[in-house]
Amino acid sequence: GQQLNQSPQSMFIQEGEDVSMNCTSSSIFNTWLWYKQDPGEGPVLLIALYKAGELTSNGRLTAQFGITRKDSFLNISASIPSDVGIYFCAGLANFGNEKLTFGTGTRLTIIP
Amino acid sequence: DGGITQSPKYLFRKEGQNVTLSCEQNLNHDAMYWYRQDPGQGLRLIYYSQIVNDFQKGDIAEGYSVSREKKESFPLTVTSAQKNPTAFYLCASSLTGENSPLHFGNGTRLTVT
Repeated sequence: GQQLNQSPQSMFIQEGEDVSMNCTSSSIFNTWLWYKQDPGEGPVLLIALYKAGELTSNGRLTAQFGITRKDSFLNISASIPSDVGIYFCAGLANFGNEKLTFGTGTRLTIIP
Repeated sequence: DGGITQSPKYLFRKEGQNVTLSCEQNLNHDAMYWYRQDPGQGLRLIYYSQIVNDFQKGDIAEGYSVSREKKESFPLTVTSAQKNPTAFYLCASSLTGENSPLHFGNGTRLTVT
């Protein structure tokens, strides 16, 4: 099956710092999604990207669909305590959510 | 408010017992999915259903069963044949058209001892 490499696995940052994480794939995707999961909860969709090169923002979050269609990154600016959680990327090569491939997640911790 | 409801939040069972996890959605989504989440791993697809009375195996269907008798409901049974059932189980739903991302429930944590 397709492989998604998400990095870093974990991040420890101070409040106010910017955050950057990325996902790379061994093959081409047509859709990239970024989700955030709070402890003990289900993932919540942050940003959806449908076009190569697309750069989309949602408040302090910005995500880009790589030109090669094999990667995507998520940036968080000026982190705040509620940003803590696990961030997952997910990619889709063909139509049909049953084919969605998830990354292994980036755990974000904010040091007081 | 529209959403996906999973119950119960926590479930404890003895080894050898079957257990059924509930998932209900009022988003009028045709498609529903069950995922399993283990620490440090991405979500893995167990079963999915794109229409009532029809469902398909995902990547890790062994030891699980589902039914889809109503559009709103997609219960998952973890059978005694599942070798390692302790996990966090997530239900999701979506429209079936293109560019229709998954919406997740809040999960059920199953512990089997």
